[in-house]
Order: sequence, then C-alpha cells, then structure tokens
Amino acid sequence: GENVEQHPSTLSVQEGDSAVIKCTYSDSASNYFPWYKQELGKRPQLIIDIRSNVGEKKDQRIAVTLNKTAKHFSLHITETQPEDSAVYFCAAMDERRGADGLTFGKGTHLIIQP
Amino acid sequence: ETGVTQTPRHLVMGMTNKKSLKCEQHLGHNAMYWYKQSAKKPLELMFVYNFKEQTENNSVPSRFSPECPNSSHLFLHLHTLQPEDSALYLCASSQAAGRNEQYFGPGTRLTVT
Repeated sequence: GENVEQHPSTLSVQEGDSAVIKCTYSDSASNYFPWYKQELGKRPQLIIDIRSNVGEKKDQRIAVTLNKTAKHFSLHITETQPEDSAVYFCAAMDERRGADGLTFGKGTHLIIQP
Repeated sequence: ETGVTQTPRHLVMGMTNKKSLKCEQHLGHNAMYWYKQSAKKPLELMFVYNFKEQTENNSVPSRFSPECPNSSHLFLHLHTLQPEDSALYLCASSQAAGRNEQYFGPGTRLTVT
C-alpha cells in the first residue's frame, strides 16, 4: 500500500516569512495529492490539492508543487499570518483505486511567531 | 447544523462496555469514512463505505464494527475496547470514494478506562 512521509513535524517561522512543508510518497500510481489544515480543536479542512497532470498549483498565498519522478510534493505558504498556525496534513491516493481512500502523512505543526 | 455531524462529541467507556458512535452527513454524498486520530498516527483511515458498500477495512481489530444503513448515516460500534483505543474518531464524507474533497465531522473524543 501507499506510505506517505511528511517533514518537518514542527515548523516555526516569523510572521511574514515563508513556510515549506515536504512530503514523499511510495506508490508511483498515486495521482491525487490534497493538503488539509487542522486548526486547534477543529476538524481538518481541504486547503489545496494537485493532480499528477500538473507540476504546480497556486491559490493566493498557498502553492503546491509536485515532482512525480522523485515522488515528492510540497506545500508553500508565503507572507505567513497568525491564522496560518495549525497542523497541516498531506495525503496521497491513486484515484483509480479511490475506494481505498487517502493515505495521510503524520502532520506538520506550523507555528507563526509574531 | 449542516455538513457532517457526529454524536456524541465526548465518550468515556469501560473496557467491558458496548457503545456506538454516530455520523450523519447532510451533503448528499455517497462515500463515508471513519478515521482514528491519535498522537502516534494523526489521521489513520479505518473504514471506507462507497454507496453503502464497505470497500476498505484497514486492518482494524474486530472490536470496531462499522455499519452504514444508508448513504447519509455511518455508525461505529465499539465493544471490549482497550485503553490504547482512546483517541479522536473522525467521520468524513465525499461525493464518491476517490478524487473528491473529504468533509470531516467534528469528531468524537473517546476515552477508554
């Protein structure tokens, strides 16, 4: 089955700086890569996703890049703000085997220092 | 409340008890999921139901028994649990199993004593 590794487990950045979270996956058949954000005491919510037919996707201050050859993808947050503080989870899945569900990384606790 | 709801929000049970967790989605989705969230494995997929059919059982012990009577409701029946089963149990739903965004419920915080 799929195995997703996520680094770092904790990331502390100054407000206004950029943050990068990296994930690797093991199954070359995986073609869908979402990122979820979970604020303290709240449920996870999808913030951005990417499919294997593109290498980069951007939504305002958030971007995701994908390197299929190396089997890794990254989340980039620019101009970080206090409300970006949360746990971020990456995930991977082969959409052709969608019934198997998503495999999540262990999460990154992002701390934005004022 | 719209979206995905879960009851109860908190549950304390002894190892010999039998209890059930309930999840309901009001989004017209056809796929529902149970996840276990703990410090060791933050988002661990347990079960997947697609159009009421179980499509995934991620090596979950038999003391956890899911039930999906229709596309809107999902249950997790619990019996003879262990203290290490204490965790946050999250339900999620999506349009269908696979590519679509998953919407999570608020979770049930389970403590096994």
